[in-house]
Amino acid sequence: GDSVTQMEGPVTLSEEAFLTINCTYTATGYPSLFWYVQYPGEGLQLLLKATKADDKGSNKGFEATYRKETTSFHLEKGSVQVSDSAVYFCALAGGTSYGKLTFGQGTILTVHP
Amino acid sequence: EPEVTQTPSHQVTQMGQEVILRCVPISNHLYFYWYRQILGQKVEFLVSFYNNEISEKSEIFDDQFSVERPDGSNFTLKIRSTKLEDSAMYFCASSEFSARNSPLHFGNGTRLTVT
Repeated sequence: GDSVTQMEGPVTLSEEAFLTINCTYTATGYPSLFWYVQYPGEGLQLLLKATKADDKGSNKGFEATYRKETTSFHLEKGSVQVSDSAVYFCALAGGTSYGKLTFGQGTILTVHP
Repeated sequence: EPEVTQTPSHQVTQMGQEVILRCVPISNHLYFYWYRQILGQKVEFLVSFYNNEISEKSEIFDDQFSVERPDGSNFTLKIRSTKLEDSAMYFCASSEFSARNSPLHFGNGTRLTVT
């Protein structure tokens, strides 16, 4: 079945540092890929998405490129802020199932001033 | 911006009791989901619902669980006889089209504590 693997966390950075959170996936067919973010006490919010190979999703300074050859969708941001502290989830839909999202295990990001 | 709302935000129940978690999806959305997140663990799919029937369910979603859309706005998850291991955060979500083709919008969750 479909699966998503994220880098082990937690990740702790200083403000303005560069962020990379690795994500790789296993799926048949051509899934859509997503990054969701969960702020403390809240539900999951869509951060960005990409629906086909070589697409780049971007939002709020975050970017991720759909790499089919490496089955990856790594999240990057050039300069993180304290307000980016949250849990980040990589997810896919449409591999073996069009009807659900499959999530990675989540990566806790803490940004210090 | 329209949002998914869930009630209650926190539910405490005794083992063996029935609980109903409630959700109001976004009004023009056609696909509905329940997920759960056990503390510190990944977000797990429970069930998806479309056209008034379950379209997909996971192994977690056994006979103790059921979902219902009793009217045009609510979407509920019932756990008939709760177990300690059912303690988790339960998230409702909805989407306009299938998960492959449109993003899921999540509520803020109901924290279920089974004692």
